Amino acid sequence: EADIYQTPRYLVIGTGKKITLECSQTMGHDKMYWYQQDPGMELHLIHYSYGVNSTEKGDLSSESTVSRIRTEHFPLTLESARPSHTSQYLCASSLGWGEQFFGPGTRLTVL
Amino acid sequence: QQQVKQSPQSLIVQKGGISIINCAYENTAFDYFPWYQQFPGKGPALLIAIRPDVSEKKEGRFTISFNKSAKQFSLHIMDSQPGDSATYFCAASGGTGGFKTIFGAGTRLFVKA
Repeated sequence: EADIYQTPRYLVIGTGKKITLECSQTMGHDKMYWYQQDPGMELHLIHYSYGVNSTEKGDLSSESTVSRIRTEHFPLTLESARPSHTSQYLCASSLGWGEQFFGPGTRLTVL
Repeated sequence: QQQVKQSPQSLIVQKGGISIINCAYENTAFDYFPWYQQFPGKGPALLIAIRPDVSEKKEGRFTISFNKSAKQFSLHIMDSQPGDSATYFCAASGGTGGFKTIFGAGTRLFVKA
């Protein structure tokens, strides 16, 4: 069982709210990732991190931001949520560029 | 150069049949080729992976076939079961070369009982 956690699992909020999706891993992995995915569809990389204080934008443009102050923690923030942000957000981590371990995801609905 | 092309988009197979999903890559620096399985409401999980120094890897009913010269690899699921119904993603990464993982678009497999 992978030791990577995401909270909340489900979030329903109104337009314009600021939200933070939490992701933590206890495996000591250097690399962490955020993906956006509509159910059963393609995985879109929106952010990744090589290590502490290192973050990069992914292949899909996103209005969200991330931070990596501690190895185990990689939160994602949306300053002003909009209905177009409704999706599932998956966090993952890896040691090097090998196997990625995924969290259970956060299903976000913006009304 | 960084794309991984996956086909088919969806697949329906009878119980007991063989499911085959194909992927093609472009970057010859990739040296790690995993397949992930995702059930509804869950994150993807590693199913099986191969490195380019072998042409085939088998784990139970799951086999990866790898063709380095054609830059293609495929997943074969033998004796497919309804419990195999899921979305499957192929991927490629640079392992030691520093190229981040690129995922295919996914294949939705449905195994009919």
